[in-house]
Amino acid sequence: GQQVMQIPQYQHVQEGEDFTTYCNSSTTLSNIQWYKQRPGGHPVFLIQLVKSGEVKKQKRLTFQFGEAKKNSSLHITATQTTDVGTYFCAGPIGSGTYKYIFGTGTRLKVLA
Amino acid sequence: SAVISQKPSRDICQRGTSLTIQCQVDSQVTMMFWYRQQPGQSLTLIATANQGSEATYESGFVIDKFPISRPNLTFSTLTVSNMSPEDSSIYLCSAVGVRGYGYTFGSGTRLTVV
Repeated sequence: GQQVMQIPQYQHVQEGEDFTTYCNSSTTLSNIQWYKQRPGGHPVFLIQLVKSGEVKKQKRLTFQFGEAKKNSSLHITATQTTDVGTYFCAGPIGSGTYKYIFGTGTRLKVLA
Repeated sequence: SAVISQKPSRDICQRGTSLTIQCQVDSQVTMMFWYRQQPGQSLTLIATANQGSEATYESGFVIDKFPISRPNLTFSTLTVSNMSPEDSSIYLCSAVGVRGYGYTFGSGTRLTVV
């Protein structure tokens, strides 16, 4: 069945260091979404990418959608303690659907 | 974006009993879904809550175990029936609003079955 994997599973960084999580889908995606879940909280939508090769930025966060639309990445520049949490990518299940399969997630810990 | 009120936030239940989780959205939404998340794990889609009709379940989830209602555009319930310790998890409702993309999640229900 459809799978969405993320690496790494865990990442510990010193505050101020950069961080990247990679998302790989077993199928071509029409779009990809990213969510952040703080410890003890619920996932919060960050962004959606639709076009092949698309790059979007939100302050220190840079999101990229691969040319083949099967992979994506999230890069955080100069991490802060507020970046702590688990980052999930999510791809639509099938086509023309609002149902999403979530990636395995990357848990980020930032050491002050 | 929409705000979803989900309750209860947590519960401890005896095996063999049932628990109903409610989600109320503060605005009309197009789609509502129910997910399950084991602590420290990813989210697994249980079903799509269809307004005025039977929910659409994903593989591995059945209506007898997880009956879902959605009587109108802003309200849905998920019942976890005949619970066993394996049902201990976090249950989350989500909705897609008028923007047409991006889930808004409820705050989740942490269920422990003893």
